[in-house]
Amino acid sequence: GENVEQHPSTLSVQEGDSAVIKCTYSDSASNYFPWYKQELGKGPQLIIDIRSNVGEKKDQRIAVTLNKTAKHFSLHITETQPEDSAVYFCAASKGGAAGNKLTFGGGTRVLVKP
Amino acid sequence: EAGVTQFPSHSVIEKGQTVTLRCDPISGHDNLYWYRRVMGKEIKFLLHFVKESKQDESGMPNNRFLAERTGGTYSTLKVQPAELEDSGVYFCASSRGHGGETQYFGPGTRLLVL
Repeated sequence: GENVEQHPSTLSVQEGDSAVIKCTYSDSASNYFPWYKQELGKGPQLIIDIRSNVGEKKDQRIAVTLNKTAKHFSLHITETQPEDSAVYFCAASKGGAAGNKLTFGGGTRVLVKP
Repeated sequence: EAGVTQFPSHSVIEKGQTVTLRCDPISGHDNLYWYRRVMGKEIKFLLHFVKESKQDESGMPNNRFLAERTGGTYSTLKVQPAELEDSGVYFCASSRGHGGETQYFGPGTRLLVL
């Protein structure tokens, strides 16, 4: 089955700096890659997603890149703010008849220091 | 539009007891998923309903876990009898039918088995 590895497990950055989280996946049939942010006591919230027919997607300070050949995708947060502090999860799914179940990475705890 | 809701938010039970978790998906969402995160590890898929039918239950750990979605609306996940290793956070997510990939997560139920 699919396996998703996520690095780093923790990331501390100064406010205003950029943060990058990287994930690799094993199943070349995966075609949908969402990123979730989880704040303390809350459920994961989708912040951005990318499909396999796209190499890069940007939404304000957040961007995601996908390299299908290498089977890795990354989350980039620019101009980090204290409210970006949270646990971030990458995930992958095959969609279609496979039913869209998500395989998650282990999570990255991001701390933005003011 | 109300989001995914889960009840209870927390549950503390003794080994051998029974616990039932409930999930109310976003209205009109045909797909309902159960996931759990154990001991700070990655979030793992348990099962997927399409309306009232189980599409994929490959992630269910053993026959102590029983999920139902009668009528295709809310779902329950019963653990009977509970074991210590069942402790963790149980998340429910929902998505639209007909290829809807974006999954919206509930706040989770934190289960502690003593």
